Amino acid sequence: AQSVTQPDIHITVSEGASLELRCNYSYGATPYLFWYVQSPGQGLQLLLKYFSGDTLVQGIKGFEAEFKRSQSSFNLRKPSVHWSDAAEYFCAASFMEYGNKLVFGAGTILRVKS
Amino acid sequence: EPEVTQTPSHQVTQMGQEVILRCVPISNHLYFYWYRQILGQKVEFLVSFYNNEISEKSEIFDDQFSVERPDGSNFTLKIRSTKLEDSAMYFCASSELASSTDTQYFGPGTRLTVL
Repeated sequence: AQSVTQPDIHITVSEGASLELRCNYSYGATPYLFWYVQSPGQGLQLLLKYFSGDTLVQGIKGFEAEFKRSQSSFNLRKPSVHWSDAAEYFCAASFMEYGNKLVFGAGTILRVKS
Repeated sequence: EPEVTQTPSHQVTQMGQEVILRCVPISNHLYFYWYRQILGQKVEFLVSFYNNEISEKSEIFDDQFSVERPDGSNFTLKIRSTKLEDSAMYFCASSELASSTDTQYFGPGTRLTVL
């Protein structure tokens, strides 16, 4: 069955350091891929999405993600983390043959230390 | 910027009681969803709704659950007889189009606690 895996439950980085959050999917074809962020008390906000074309996708708040078909991965990156980036990050996918429901990873909680 | 809103933010209920969770999707959106997240688990899809009928539902969405668009703005999730295991955060989402590629916009969630 189709699934999304985020192997890191928690990540702590220093402010100003680079960040990479991992996401892998299990599916026979290329799914549509999304990264969402959730701050406390807020809804899930879309950071970026990938459907096709250029495998490096730019999003809001200085985030980018790279799709790698060979690794079934869609990792989220940011070159320099700000304290306000502390939040929970969710990778999600939709699979064309399975309607437009989103399948989520377990989420990664990002802590930023000053 | 338009946003999805949900009420209440927190609902506490006794087991066996009926609850209705309310959502106001973004006004020009046509496709609506409910997801839930049990504490410590993944966000999981419950149901999608389009053109006044259910488009798709998961195994979780059994006869205890129902959805309705009672008027032009609200979208509700009803749990007929709550169980302890229904305790979760419930997220409403909406999208403009009925497409796998269209962005789903999420509300802040309603935390349901069943005692």
